[in-house]
Amino acid sequence: KQEVTQIPAALSVPEGENLVLNCSFTDSAIYNLQWFRQDPGKGLTSLLLIQSSQREQTSGRLNASLDKSSGRSTLYIAASQPGDSATYLCAGWSAARQLTFGSGTQLTVLP
Amino acid sequence: DGGITQSPKYLFRKEGQNVTLSCEQNLNHDAMYWYRQDPGQGLRLIYYSQIVNDFQKGDIAEGYSVSREKKESFPLTVTSAQKNPTAFYLCASSITGGQGGLEQYFGPGTRLTVT
Repeated sequence: KQEVTQIPAALSVPEGENLVLNCSFTDSAIYNLQWFRQDPGKGLTSLLLIQSSQREQTSGRLNASLDKSSGRSTLYIAASQPGDSATYLCAGWSAARQLTFGSGTQLTVLP
Repeated sequence: DGGITQSPKYLFRKEGQNVTLSCEQNLNHDAMYWYRQDPGQGLRLIYYSQIVNDFQKGDIAEGYSVSREKKESFPLTVTSAQKNPTAFYLCASSITGGQGGLEQYFGPGTRLTVT
């Protein structure tokens, strides 16, 4: 069964810093991987979806990569801003035909 | 505007009562999902439906029931058999839930508190 892990659970950085959030998964037969943002008490906002045939996706200051062989995905945030403060979750779709979520990384960008 | 709506935003119930959470989407998506989120944990799948009048159990279906009579609607009933129902419930949809899966879109969630 697919397991998804996100480390660290929490991260604080000063404004303007570039940062990387990590996501690891156990089943390399992953079909796609999706990154989400969740603000406190809110639903999830989809940030990026990477299909298994792709290695990365970019949207604005965000870049997500997928390395199936190593079981890892990263979310790169350039020039972080206080508005980027939120919990970031990754989730992978595998042969079980369902999305398996990590526990998330709570990001705080300090002004 | 297309999207997913969940109502109510907050719900309070006494122990032993059944309660139904609403989820409606106007994205014309075939697949719909219900997740549960507890503090410090990732989302866990309760039920999903890939087509009208059909649904499958997820990892934690015990104590829950669903129906899918219309493409736009996928209500979740939390029954009195659910041992620990207090949680944040999220509904999602995607174009299809078939192999490979596609991007899932989420509603704003319903926070259920049972006392």
